[in-house]
Amino acid sequence: DAKTTQPPSMDCAEGRAANLPCNHSTISGNEYVYWYRQIHSQGPQYIIHGLKNNETNEMASLIITEDRKSSTLILPHATLRDTAVYYCIVSPRNTNAGKSTFGDGTTLTVKP
Amino acid sequence: DAGVTQSPTHLIKTRGQQVTLRCSPKSGHDTVSWYQQALGQGPQFIFQYYEEEERQRGNFPDRFSGHQFPNYSSELNVNALLLGDSALYLCASSSGTGGDYRTEQFFGPGTRLTVL
Repeated sequence: DAKTTQPPSMDCAEGRAANLPCNHSTISGNEYVYWYRQIHSQGPQYIIHGLKNNETNEMASLIITEDRKSSTLILPHATLRDTAVYYCIVSPRNTNAGKSTFGDGTTLTVKP
Repeated sequence: DAGVTQSPTHLIKTRGQQVTLRCSPKSGHDTVSWYQQALGQGPQFIFQYYEEEERQRGNFPDRFSGHQFPNYSSELNVNALLLGDSALYLCASSSGTGGDYRTEQFFGPGTRLTVL
């Protein structure tokens, strides 16, 4: 699996958009970008995934650059409950969803 | 739908002992993956079970073994416990047959193992 690079920590004001970057410069053509988050003392929670097109769901938006070497997770209106560790993962297509390689993630702190 | 459940919630063992952790996948899921998460680090993949067989394995020694039952539930066994095995053990379930598609994983709350 391709490795990812994320900033160790970020702050965001409540109600503002949180933009979390992820670099995956060695991503292969058949690898998806997945985002998970882990709130303290809980298991990771799936947020969103994409291959090359931008994606949006009820939780967030995922913007993937045209060369697919980086992506940004956008939480449009961050709340205090969005404070968590956010993990960016890339993983091959033709495997089951296991063997995801989690890095150390970005600790997002949403402040009032 | 109860989601992914794990038992026990917490466990304390001593060095050299053996431990068994249990996981029930989300309804409709047939694949179970296990992860070890040390304090302050991201989850590290241990192995994955599908159709009662180990399909993929991470960089963990043979002391870590597992099993999947016909009802898709799974166990993680760790023998000869070391102090370094203290961690949160996460189970994740997903649905897939290894075909040409991807699905997200659903994680359980984890089992906190402390080795003294």
